[in-house]
Parts: sequence; C-alpha cells; structure tokens
Amino acid sequence: QVQLVQSGAEVKKPGASVKVSCKASGYTFSSYGITWVRQAPGQGLEWMGWINSYNGNTNYGQQFQDRVTMTTDTSTSTADMELTSLRSDDTAVYYCARVNQAFNDGEVIYGYFDYWGRGTPVTVSS
Amino acid sequence: SYDLTQPPSVSVSPGQTASITCSGDKLGDKYACWYQQKPGQSPVLVIYQDTKRPSGIPERFSGSNSGNTATLTISGTQAMDEADYYCQAWDSRTYVFGTGTKVTVL
Repeated sequence: QVQLVQSGAEVKKPGASVKVSCKASGYTFSSYGITWVRQAPGQGLEWMGWINSYNGNTNYGQQFQDRVTMTTDTSTSTADMELTSLRSDDTAVYYCARVNQAFNDGEVIYGYFDYWGRGTPVTVSS
Repeated sequence: SYDLTQPPSVSVSPGQTASITCSGDKLGDKYACWYQQKPGQSPVLVIYQDTKRPSGIPERFSGSNSGNTATLTISGTQAMDEADYYCQAWDSRTYVFGTGTKVTVL
C-alpha cells in the first residue's frame, strides 16, 4: 500500500531554515511527483510547489519562489522540502502528497493529490 | 492569480443531501477535485477529475463541474461526513485550493 512517512516536528527561531523529509513506499517513486502543502493553525490548505521525481524539475508557488527548495532522492524514495528565512507566519503543518498528473506535450494539464503524509508541525518562535 | 471560492459553512441534517460549491473563472474548462479533512487528520481525496471517486470512497459522494462552478454532493449525509472540504484545480502552472467549507451535520 502507498505510504508517505514524514519527519518529526520542528521548532525553529525566526530567520532559521527547516528541512522536512517525506519517505515514500508502495509504488514506483519516479513515476509520480511529490507536492508540498501547508496549513497554518485554523486556516485552509496552501500549495507550496511540486517536484518531478523522475527528473527533479520543480514548480514552486509564487509566494515561496525565493525561499523554498524541493529535492528528491530516487535511491531512497525520499523527497525533501527546505524553507529558509523562517518567519512566525510560517508556523504550520507541512504535508507531502503524491501528485497524480496528466500531461500534454510535456505540460501538466491537471493533477490531484491522491496520497498524503501525516504532516510535520513546524513552529517558528523566538 | 486564480481564485476558488467556497461557502464558509454548510449545515445538513443526517440523511439529507449536502451540496458544496466551488466557484472560479471558467472552472468548467478545468478539472476539479475535492478533499475531505477531519480535525487533526490529513486531507483525503474524495473526488478527482470532476466526477470520479477513488477506491474506498462511498458512493454517496459525487461531483460535477460546469461553467464557473464545481459542486460536491453528499447524498444521505452521515455524521461521519462532518469535516472541512476543499476544492482544487490547476491553473497557469499552479495548483490552487478553494477557501474551504465546514460541513456540519446537525
């Protein structure tokens, strides 16, 4: 069965960086992308970006362009998300999810997130 | 940027039908999907490609998408369906989530 196991909770100070890991199992890792979504306390879901697990190409949400880096390691079926220059409003639960997409001429035409990790709480506080 | 708007809340009596809307410019020209999220849990995909149900999702969940509005319908709503629901679509190289709807089963 498909599983995404995320790393544990983190507490960081403003200005620091955090790296969250997501280990996949139960499917061919390079056949699906991984996306990252976060949810601040009491708020809705916010898409951060996705990475093509096959070739490492990334597509980041505009509000995260300058601060986020997503990587994958196909040898360990692991995806990582690093967020830098943390602020208090980055306090949230960070989820990884498998992204199931359709392509046309190499471009995504739609996608959905069919399996999710349990989330990693990240607290940013001085 | 592309926005998807949902009503903040929907109330429904047990056994009745709940309809949750998701509005966006020409949303019917895109594929919409829906997620259910219960308190303290990860989101779960309940509808994808407008109308399809993943394995394990009850038949009482159905979806439609036309014009500017996608709709998630829960027929014969049960107490266990009480949750937050989010729509999602792809636009201009970005995945967009709706604002979310809290469904209360009274």
